[in-house]
Amino acid sequence: NFMLTQPHSVSESPRKTVTISCTRSSGSIASNYVQWYQQRPGSSPTTVIYEDNQRPSGVPDRFSGSIDSSSNSASLTISGLKTEDEADYYCQSYDSSNVVFGGGTKLTVL
Amino acid sequence: QLQLQESGPGLVKPSETLSLTCTVSGGSISSSSYYWGWIRQPPGKGLEWIGSIYYSGSTYYNPSLKSRVTISLDTSKIQFSLKLSSVTAADTAVYYCARVRYLGHWFDPWGQGTLVTVSS
Repeated sequence: NFMLTQPHSVSESPRKTVTISCTRSSGSIASNYVQWYQQRPGSSPTTVIYEDNQRPSGVPDRFSGSIDSSSNSASLTISGLKTEDEADYYCQSYDSSNVVFGGGTKLTVL
Repeated sequence: QLQLQESGPGLVKPSETLSLTCTVSGGSISSSSYYWGWIRQPPGKGLEWIGSIYYSGSTYYNPSLKSRVTISLDTSKIQFSLKLSSVTAADTAVYYCARVRYLGHWFDPWGQGTLVTVSS
């Protein structure tokens, strides 16, 4: 089984750009798609990125996703930060027998 | 628009079986394009995948929970269900159901979640 490791928390100012990483412990990050979910307090998670870098309709283009095989990690980048982006963010991937979520990153927009 | 709604007891005694149902509205659960999954989130903690079921009835479970989990599908009622046996306080969590894209394996949409507390 593999794990996905995220930073516990990140903070940045409004209008700035922040990147959240998600590192896969074993197996190639490129072998299976990575998704990113946003969860605001008291709400269910919603998808902000699917299949590594695809945005669902309704998600602003300030959100982007990428993978880096050299570091075996995925990244979520949010540009032009807004206070409404303050939330927990989870990465998620899978293999032939398991689905794994990262531990989550709390984004604070100060 | 597809919607999912979890239902079931909010309180379960230790050693008993937790049973939840997810009712799907606005769509079918018989499509080959989707799985149907359960995820949980202990209070103040992260998300944990419990398992998924395909429209054919094939099931896939988290290896750490596999011995205690059963997920089933009722296409006539457009529902799928979760049973988790021999629960302990560690199983206290918000339980979510979600549709899972077969290709890409991403969860969307999610139900609103239901809190299940394990306590005597």
